[in-house]
Amino acid sequence: NAGVTQTPKFQVLKTGQSMTLQCAQDMNHEYMSWYRQDPGMGLRLIHYSVGAGITDQGEVPNGYNVSRSTTEDFPLRLLSAAPSQTSVYFCASSYGGVRTEAFFGQGTRLTVV
Amino acid sequence: GENVEQHPSTLSVQEGDSAVIKCTYSDSASNYFPWYKQELGKGPQLIIDIRSNVGEKKDQRIAVTLNKTAKHFSLHITETQPEDSAVYFCAASINNQGGKLIFGQGTELSVKP
Repeated sequence: NAGVTQTPKFQVLKTGQSMTLQCAQDMNHEYMSWYRQDPGMGLRLIHYSVGAGITDQGEVPNGYNVSRSTTEDFPLRLLSAAPSQTSVYFCASSYGGVRTEAFFGQGTRLTVV
Repeated sequence: GENVEQHPSTLSVQEGDSAVIKCTYSDSASNYFPWYKQELGKGPQLIIDIRSNVGEKKDQRIAVTLNKTAKHFSLHITETQPEDSAVYFCAASINNQGGKLIFGQGTELSVKP
């Protein structure tokens, strides 16, 4: 049981490049979400999903796309990277309903130059 | 939308002393309030949570209190130890809202031996 797995752990992108951050969970959780963490600002919700085929925007969705084709995977796409997207990204999952404990991955540190 | 404010941003205590971190929230519909501990280079990990139908919850050396009327909740750590040193985040959420956690800005706790 690996929990929430994020890849890659580190990434450097040039401005304008695109990439996908991968997130997978093996706990059969319905809910998955993406957060970014910047110094002094806590974690801010980017996008979330309540189940396969269903996604919605969080606090800071601009510049990011998501899809949820399976229960296990929830990739985050940067279509045209900008320096403002330099951050640490965390994926989280939870059972849903009243079982709201969220489990986080180890994070992806992204630098856009 | 929901807004969570957390204070202080840094807290330094002597080993054995108590530490208190406070958070306020804005949305009266929020009914789930978790606290996360984040160690350097790792993802946040849930340490304790409280629901709106409970005023206080304890787990060994940590406790959380909730005042729904004032919309604030607090984390109390007693008999602090050096391994308690980390960044602590409070969050607020509404059950069945897709695991949408709105986080405070974080408190860096340092416990000096």
